[in-house]
Parts: sequence; structure tokens; C-alpha cells
Amino acid sequence: GQQVMQIPQYQHVQEGEDFTTYCNSSTTLSNIQWYKQRPGGHPVFLIQLVKSGEVKKQKRLTFQFGEAKKNSSLHITATQTTDVGTYFCAGRPSGTYKYIFGTGTRLKVLA
Amino acid sequence: GAVVSQHPSRVICKSGTSVKIECRSLDFQATTMFWYRQFPKQSLMLMATSNEGSKATYEQGVEKDKFLINHASLTLSTLTVTSAHPEDSSFYICSARTADNEQFFGPGTRLTVL
Repeated sequence: GQQVMQIPQYQHVQEGEDFTTYCNSSTTLSNIQWYKQRPGGHPVFLIQLVKSGEVKKQKRLTFQFGEAKKNSSLHITATQTTDVGTYFCAGRPSGTYKYIFGTGTRLKVLA
Repeated sequence: GAVVSQHPSRVICKSGTSVKIECRSLDFQATTMFWYRQFPKQSLMLMATSNEGSKATYEQGVEKDKFLINHASLTLSTLTVTSAHPEDSSFYICSARTADNEQFFGPGTRLTVL
């Protein structure tokens, strides 16, 4: 079946260090979304990428959609303690209407 | 962003009883809502897609007779867990899709079946 994998599963960084999580789909995606879930909270929508090779920035966050539309990445520059949480990608396989969530990357930032 | 509410936020029930969870889009109309299940420290697993005015579409392995979904209006979808058992204990989250294809999640419902 269709799968969306994320690596790494966990990441501990010192405050100020950069962080990247990678998302890989087994099938081509129409678009991909990224979410952040704080401990005990619900997923919060961050961004949506639609075009092949698209790059979008939100302050210290940079999102990229691969040329083949099968992978994506989220990069955080100079992490802060407020960045703690689990980051999920969610891809919508081409020809479908539903989103498949990635396995998630749990980020811990050490002060 | 758009607001989606869920009720109740927590529910504890006895084994064998049924529990209904409501999902509402408060400031927009959602023809499509999704129901997910999340076990601790795991990802969200799509259970079913709820379409207003038609039958829900269930993912493989999800029992439609156990998880009854009703999308009665453009702002309300309900999930009823029938004859709940301890293994149904989980975090249930709904989301609603906007016309721009963004998804907004409800705060979730933590179900504990004793």
C-alpha cells in the first residue's frame, strides 16, 4: 500500500543548531502538507507544497518539495525551545483525495 | 486559520457501551471531513473519509459497523464507536477540508474504555 516514511524518527539538538526532517513517499504526490504537533496537542497545519521543486519559507522554517514529487523536507535554522514537538508530513497521492501521514519526527531542543 | 471543534475532549466509558464524538467546522463549510486515530507516540492513521450527504469511505481494516460515521450537514460529522472495548482506547482526531484543500484539525478526543 501507499506509505509515507519520515527520517529521522527522533532528533535531539542543542538550542541554536539546525534541524532537518525528510519525508519520502512510495508514490507520486499531488501535494504535501506539513504539520506540527506539540505534546498533548493536536496537529497544526504549517504549510502546503504543490509544485515540483517548490521551496517555501516561514521565518526559520524552509520547506522543499522534490522534483519528482515523492519527497519533501523541512529545515529549521537555529532551533529554539519553542520548536519542540513532532513534525508530520502528509502527502496526497495523485488521483486520490485523502492524505497519508508520515511516521513523524520528534524534535527535542536542549537549552 | 479555520476552527474545528470536537466534543467531548475526553470520555471514559465501560466496555460494551457506545460513544459518539462530534466534529464541527465553526467558521466554514466542509463537504469533506476526515477521521483519524492516533496511538501514543505514533502517527495519525486515517480511518475514514466523511462526505456530506453520502456514505463514508472507510480505510482498509477499519470496521464500518464498529465505527459509524454520519456527516449530516456541511459543518458536522459524528463518529460513533459502537460496543467499545479496551483496545478501542485511543486519541481520535477529526479534520475538515476547506475549499482551498487545507485541512484543519480538531483538538481531538481521548477515549478510554474500561
